[in-house]
Amino acid sequence: GIQVEQSPPDLILQEGANSTLRCNFSDSVNNLQWFHQNPWGQLINLFYIPSGTKQNGRLSATTVATERYSLLYISSSQTTDSGVYFCAVGGAGSYQLTFGKGTKLSVIP
Amino acid sequence: DSGVTQTPKHLITATGQRVTLRCSPRSGDLSVYWYQQSLDQGLQFLIQYYNGEERAKGNILERFSAQQFPDLHSELNLSSLELGDSALYFCASSVSGQVGYTFGSGTRLTVV
Repeated sequence: GIQVEQSPPDLILQEGANSTLRCNFSDSVNNLQWFHQNPWGQLINLFYIPSGTKQNGRLSATTVATERYSLLYISSSQTTDSGVYFCAVGGAGSYQLTFGKGTKLSVIP
Repeated sequence: DSGVTQTPKHLITATGQRVTLRCSPRSGDLSVYWYQQSLDQGLQFLIQYYNGEERAKGNILERFSAQQFPDLHSELNLSSLELGDSALYFCASSVSGQVGYTFGSGTRLTVV
């Protein structure tokens, strides 16, 4: 199956700083999603982005499918951005998402 | 509220018992997915239903089963429970397989 690697595994930021999270995957995909799991365990869908670039407020994401990676950018981070960010991918003909191990982000005031 | 409803939120049960977790998908969503999240395995896909039919199976144990009913709600049945089954069980829904998934708030199962 598809392998998903996320980096860095842990990240500590001062409030207001910017960050880039990376997701590498081992095969071609037709489904790629970014999720944020908040400290209460809720999984929030941030982006559905199998290719291209999207922006939503302070967050943006870019997927370069031909090079098998995706990036999540967080600008002007806030304490509420803390939690674990997951990248999940699905291959052609597959309905299941394979999740990476996540990047744990801690934003300190 | 994400629109995906899972009940119960918490469940504590003894080894060997059987439990049923329930999921109501977001209005209009035909696909339902079940995932298990544990500390050692991370988020693992269990099974998917689309409009009442099983569409894909992942790392689901034989002791586990699921179904999707005509009103599109789904149930995940876990039997002969073991300590290692303790985990967060998530349900997600989508209109189809090629759009973003919406997750419910999960059911935290503790087997003692």
